[in-house]
Amino acid sequence: DIQMTQSPKSLAASVGDTVTITCQASQDIDVSVNWYLQKSGKPPQLLIYGGSFLDIGVPSRFSGSGSGTDFSLSISSLKPEDFGTYFCQQSFFFPYTFGQGTALQI
Amino acid sequence: QVLPEQWGTGLLKPSETLSLSCGVFGDPSSIFYYWTWIRQTPGKGLEWIGQISYVGTTNYNPSLSSRVAISLDPSKFQVSLILTSVTGADTATYYCAPSLDITGTILTLWGQGSQVSVSS
Repeated sequence: DIQMTQSPKSLAASVGDTVTITCQASQDIDVSVNWYLQKSGKPPQLLIYGGSFLDIGVPSRFSGSGSGTDFSLSISSLKPEDFGTYFCQQSFFFPYTFGQGTALQI
Repeated sequence: QVLPEQWGTGLLKPSETLSLSCGVFGDPSSIFYYWTWIRQTPGKGLEWIGQISYVGTTNYNPSLSSRVAISLDPSKFQVSLILTSVTGADTATYYCAPSLDITGTILTLWGQGSQVSVSS
């Protein structure tokens, strides 16, 4: 299986900050990475697919980049609703696999 | 936007069979090309269980493939997940995610989650 190594495991930031979360795949997965945000007690919410494409309704302060094995999610001008746990996921090889998550805290 | 609904057995004993269903109601115009099942535990995080296409093609996680089956009733916009011989390691929140994209990789819609506990 493809291992998705996500870092950091947790991150403390303030409203208005810019943060970056990274994900490293154990093999080349082209640009087949999705990013999700999960709030407590809710299912994950898709933010970005195909490495850099924002899902409908996702604010432009979110951006994704990377290809091959190294990927990143950046969030600028943090808002209170951006806090939660972020996950990366590869969708290139079966079984699709997820990173362990990054808890973004105030 | 119509969201998937999930239902099924929440409490099981070891060796029993887990059975969950998922459906999308109220939006007959949508075509869901793939239906994916994912589970989540505090210890292992998010785990992709498998998916089924609208024509019935399945792909399963090899770690579960000997025990899992996903089936589809396209006329009812419903999908089912069967997991046999459950153990405590199968205790998790299970999610279904129907895909509107033809690749089945863009999971915009998620069910509310079904909490399944396995205990003797």
